[in-house]
Amino acid sequence: QKEVEQNSGPLSVPEGAIASLNCTYSDRVSQSFFWYRQYSGKSPELIMSIYSNGDKEDGRFTAQLNKASQYVSLLIRDSQPSDSATYLCAVRNDNKLIFGAGTRLAVHP
Amino acid sequence: KAGVTQTPRYLIKTRGQQVTLSCSPISGHRSVSWYQQTPGQGLQFLFEYFSETQRNKGNFPGRFSGRQFSNSRSEMNVSTLELGDSALYLCASSSFSGTLTGNSPLHFGNGTRLTVT
Repeated sequence: QKEVEQNSGPLSVPEGAIASLNCTYSDRVSQSFFWYRQYSGKSPELIMSIYSNGDKEDGRFTAQLNKASQYVSLLIRDSQPSDSATYLCAVRNDNKLIFGAGTRLAVHP
Repeated sequence: KAGVTQTPRYLIKTRGQQVTLSCSPISGHRSVSWYQQTPGQGLQFLFEYFSETQRNKGNFPGRFSGRQFSNSRSEMNVSTLELGDSALYLCASSSFSGTLTGNSPLHFGNGTRLTVT
């Protein structure tokens, strides 16, 4: 079992819709969770971090964490074509971040 | 604040050679991590340094090594290059000091694209 699992996609959504990206992790003691966005040919950039169970909102982005289910998700409201990218889920394990393989999101006009 | 700076941006080497990549972290960040990114394997953790000490190492052969200097700048070295070492090598810095609940994400540089022929 991989430490951090994501559906590779592509996830295709129409412009203006809600995109839902999911991630599961295997280490129950993990405390810190992050979502990164990576455009093709670019380096990952941080979108959101979450540490407590529940929802955390930042603009059009909402991160959700459920430690009992070892599940973290990212919702993107009012999706725009500029949101088309690969979204990476990362979980802190000891002194390192472990990344999932990423979900490719395609927002079509 | 300047971001994470990696040099060089691109490198072309031949099999058997060695290569050294450089990374300057964000000012004040003492933790530096290195990742290898390939289309097939995604982001794979190489190692993490904090205050000149390697605290964690990923599952890579001993050909991959690194170090960190007193000013937190870091280098990684790959010896006896193989074709499979062709990848984007990403350096990231963090203010993370080691507390499990630390609120310290990684901030990535633009990467070094290594091609081995």
